[in-house]
Amino acid sequence: DSGVTQTPKHLITATGQRVTLRCSPRSGDLSVYWYQQSLDQGLQFLIQYYNGEERAKGNILERFSAQQFPDLHSELNLSSLELGDSALYFCASSVDIGGAIDTQYFGPGTRLTVL
Amino acid sequence: AQTVTQSQPEMSVQEAETVTLSCTYDTSESNYYLFWYKQPPSRQMILVIRQEAYKQQNATENRFSVNFQKAAKSFSLKISDSQLGDTAMYFCASLYFGNEKLTFGTGTRLTIIP
Repeated sequence: DSGVTQTPKHLITATGQRVTLRCSPRSGDLSVYWYQQSLDQGLQFLIQYYNGEERAKGNILERFSAQQFPDLHSELNLSSLELGDSALYFCASSVDIGGAIDTQYFGPGTRLTVL
Repeated sequence: AQTVTQSQPEMSVQEAETVTLSCTYDTSESNYYLFWYKQPPSRQMILVIRQEAYKQQNATENRFSVNFQKAAKSFSLKISDSQLGDTAMYFCASLYFGNEKLTFGTGTRLTIIP
């Protein structure tokens, strides 16, 4: 158990809908990262939040957005869902105290199926 | 752009044997870390081992060790005395100071045969 929690574990929805994925980082970790794992794209970095602020953006679609709340949990919002958005979405967290590279620890993932 | 390459899509070995998974990476950075993550059938991403680029000594974690060849930009994972629970996808990944996104390879599916 990495200490990172994600809910829900599974999500099945229809095209055009909107969903929210939730992540709670390890205790003391300030940074949260979101990754998407799909069959055709592999593991791709989406976005990073540090202590409530967006720090880095990767291959995140405009239909997707994220935020990190004062208690440091994060939510990834996916809207106008398409079949191709079906994937495993991971959240990871790290201490990120600055001045060094930190290991990222992953949550169990949320499997999204868009029908 | 940073790239990580895993050239072995699938491997299989007998239980108790030793297996080596290959990984090469491309970077012009000097301050970086390299990782091996394991993804068993449960799909959880589990950290196996970490190597800091500035360290010359190869990292070791129990039955897992790496062969880090900095000049050749090679970072292979050796699993000794393989066990059935080692069956998983293994991903090599890199992380650079100032760019905190992990860049992953395409993975190697390892099967341990009883």
